[in-house]
Amino acid sequence: AQSVSQHNHHVILSEAASLELGCNYSYGGTVNLFWYVQYPGQHLQLLLKYFSGDPLVKGIKGFEAEFIKSKFSFNLRKPSVQWSDTAEYFCAVGRTGGFKTIFGAGTRLFVKA
Amino acid sequence: ETGVTQTPRHLVMGMTNKKSLKCEQHLGHNAMYWYKQSAKKPLELMFVYSLEERVENNSVPSRFSPECPNSSHLFLHLHTLQPEDSALYLCASSQDTEETQYFGPGTRLLVL
Repeated sequence: AQSVSQHNHHVILSEAASLELGCNYSYGGTVNLFWYVQYPGQHLQLLLKYFSGDPLVKGIKGFEAEFIKSKFSFNLRKPSVQWSDTAEYFCAVGRTGGFKTIFGAGTRLFVKA
Repeated sequence: ETGVTQTPRHLVMGMTNKKSLKCEQHLGHNAMYWYKQSAKKPLELMFVYSLEERVENNSVPSRFSPECPNSSHLFLHLHTLQPEDSALYLCASSQDTEETQYFGPGTRLLVL
């Protein structure tokens, strides 16, 4: 069965620190990959996505993610976090041509000012 | 504002009650979803509708009954729920089932 694993449930960083959140999935076929973010008191919203092409994807607010097919990974990165990046981050994977998108358990990021 | 609205935002019900959750999307999308979000658990997909036809029913108990009367509206009818059904119920929509999903604010449900 398809599954998505996010390595850290909670991450605490100081402002200006670099961020990397891990995401691995278990599905051997062609996939669509997403990172969603939920800021405190707000809706889940898209941060970035990968369907095909350049495996390094740029998203909003300086975030990027790299798809490494051989490692079944889609890790999220940001070189320098800000207090406003405090949120919960969800990795999600869907099969190309499929109906289901599977979400990871989420990682709560807290950035200290 | 994401273009997806949900009502009510909060609901408290007894185990013998019948209630319905409503979702409306103003984005012209063709696919709509119900998810359950519980504390310390991954977001759980419940149902997927594409062009008003249910295409995914993720082993959800029959006490949850979805209805999609048109491409803009999605309902989740609830009856004889259990306390463990207490959770945040999220609705989402997308242009098609592969594309980015846009989420509503959710209905926080408490079953007593």
